[in-house]
Amino acid sequence: QKEVEQNSGPLSVPEGAIASLNCTYSDRVSQSFFWYRQYSGKSPELIMSIYSNGDKEDGRFTAQLNKASQYVSLLIRDSQPSDSATYLCAVNNDGNQFYFGTGTSLTVIP
Amino acid sequence: DTAVSQTPKYLVTQMGNDKSIKCEQNLGHDTMYWYKQDSKKFLKIMFSYNNKELIINETVPNRFSPKSPDKAHLNLHINSLELGDSAVYFCASSQGQVLNTEAFFGQGTRLTVV
Repeated sequence: QKEVEQNSGPLSVPEGAIASLNCTYSDRVSQSFFWYRQYSGKSPELIMSIYSNGDKEDGRFTAQLNKASQYVSLLIRDSQPSDSATYLCAVNNDGNQFYFGTGTSLTVIP
Repeated sequence: DTAVSQTPKYLVTQMGNDKSIKCEQNLGHDTMYWYKQDSKKFLKIMFSYNNKELIINETVPNRFSPKSPDKAHLNLHINSLELGDSAVYFCASSQGQVLNTEAFFGQGTRLTVV
């Protein structure tokens, strides 16, 4: 399986702070990158996708991609207790393969 | 309408039994997947099917046999269940052959082998 690595955490941040989640991948031909959020006992749901180098912002979420460094990150601004979940980084190489990292557990402390 | 649905949601069975999990998607996608998620939350891809054809088989014991009767359905049959098979199994689908597409997940099947 292709390597996608994340810090497993747990990561704890106070409410209102910025949470920073990181992901590295090993396959240089990877083309598409995704961040999924998974609440306990639920299925993963997409929160961000990014396909080209740079930043992509959507509300309180910003995804950052650096293909030269094989690095993807997710910033969550103004973190809320409802953001407490496991965040999964995923990589898609050719349209038929989604490989996931081990996930980072985030806790936002009120 | 549920986009990706899998049944059953919970499955408790004894070692050595054979069981099946069913998955259906109504999104018109042509690629479907089975993932296994262990207790540490690692989502490991098991199989990928594109238009009923097997694309990926990631070092999965041959006790696991996927079957795709059509591109909207992908079932998973498991023979001779072992304790280590206990996990949550997720079905997912996407519009294959397209890079900029997300995968949609079913609600998961929690399999417990006792």
